[in-house]
Amino acid sequence: LAKTTQPISMDSYEGQEVNITCSHNNIATNDYITWYQQFPSQGPRFIIQGYKTKVTNEVASLFIPADRKSSTLSLPRVSLSDTAVYYCLVGDIIGLTGGGNKLTFGTGTQLKVEL
Amino acid sequence: EPEVTQTPSHQVTQMGQEVILRCVPISNHLYFYWYRQILGQKVEFLVSFYNNEISEKSEIFDDQFSVERPDGSNFTLKIRSTKLEDSAMYFCASRGKDRSSYNEQFFGPGTRLTVL
Repeated sequence: LAKTTQPISMDSYEGQEVNITCSHNNIATNDYITWYQQFPSQGPRFIIQGYKTKVTNEVASLFIPADRKSSTLSLPRVSLSDTAVYYCLVGDIIGLTGGGNKLTFGTGTQLKVEL
Repeated sequence: EPEVTQTPSHQVTQMGQEVILRCVPISNHLYFYWYRQILGQKVEFLVSFYNNEISEKSEIFDDQFSVERPDGSNFTLKIRSTKLEDSAMYFCASRGKDRSSYNEQFFGPGTRLTVL
């Protein structure tokens, strides 16, 4: 299981772009990179997933360099409501049978957005 | 938008009592999970369930824990004899079979279990 390292906390202001970088030096060939968001007293929520290069959805962008040893979650123009813990997870895609694919969460990055 | 629901939102119980936490996964999902989060700590995997059987379980998921899908919609976690250290937020999650969203699990709002 690839170990991930991300900053414990980050501070930002409303309207700014926030980039959270995660390092995963021993990522395996079959591993995907997934980011989750968690608000206090709520369940984690899937944000974005990627394998290489860049992925963008309505919420965020995910940048993955060619060596895949790190990834950066980019949140454009954050607001107060983006204050949450952001988790970087690395794991493989298993076959359709089997049904496992547990998620292994680290301590995440506490993002605090202020006015 | 479909969502995972959990009941109750908060359960208070005495040590040694049995509790059942209930979850209704998203209707067309096939894979089900329980996680827990002790206050201030990481989200921890407990168990995964597919095709009416446990696929994987963690060391936390000992003989005091069991899961069941009693009908086509509910997914339950039973703790047979609760301990103080079982106090935590318990999250149910589910996912579909679409290979492109394999790590996209949908989490419920959680049940806060307090063991006195």
